[in-house]
Amino acid sequence: DSGVTQTPKHLITATGQRVTLRCSPRSGDLSVYWYQQSLDQGLQFLIHYYNGEERAKGNILERFSAQQFPDLHSELNLSSLELGDSALYFCASSVGPGDQPQHFGDGTRLSIL
Amino acid sequence: GQQVMQIPQYQHVQEGEDFTTYCNSSTTLSNIQWYKQRPGGHPVFLIQLVKSGEVKKQKRLTFQFGEAKKNSSLHITATQTTDVGTYFCASRSGGGNKLTFGTGTQLKVEL
Repeated sequence: DSGVTQTPKHLITATGQRVTLRCSPRSGDLSVYWYQQSLDQGLQFLIHYYNGEERAKGNILERFSAQQFPDLHSELNLSSLELGDSALYFCASSVGPGDQPQHFGDGTRLSIL
Repeated sequence: GQQVMQIPQYQHVQEGEDFTTYCNSSTTLSNIQWYKQRPGGHPVFLIQLVKSGEVKKQKRLTFQFGEAKKNSSLHITATQTTDVGTYFCASRSGGGNKLTFGTGTQLKVEL
């Protein structure tokens, strides 16, 4: 158990819809990272928050947005969903903003029908 | 931008054989991390290398960081079925905040 909690575990929705994925970091971790992993694909970095502030952005689509709340949990919002958005979305957390090891949650599997 | 290539993409070995995956970058890396993802699981941190030429061992796993800090390798001696999974390297270049994951090497171990 990594200590990182992601909900929901599975999400099935239709094209054009909007969903919110939630992540609670490990106790004491201030950084939250979001990644997308498609079938047979590697981990694509989306965005990084540290203590409520955005620190780095990857190839995150404009239809996607995220935020980190004062209690340090984070949400990833995906809108105008397309079939290609079907993937496993991982959240990871680390203690600080730099090179500390990242601890991953179990992921949310998003299926777009 | 920074690109991190991993080879091979796939590796099938017989149990007891050795296995090596290589990670190569086009730019100098601040450090490099290695993660393992079991089938159906999430990535799990294995180790971090920081110094040029650094070598670290964890039981049957040996991690190396190149002298120029542009490449790294993970070697597993005498593989076991529990080693099955995908191994990713991950790194930052320069002073950037973005952690870039390599393409991963999927290891299958047959009895």
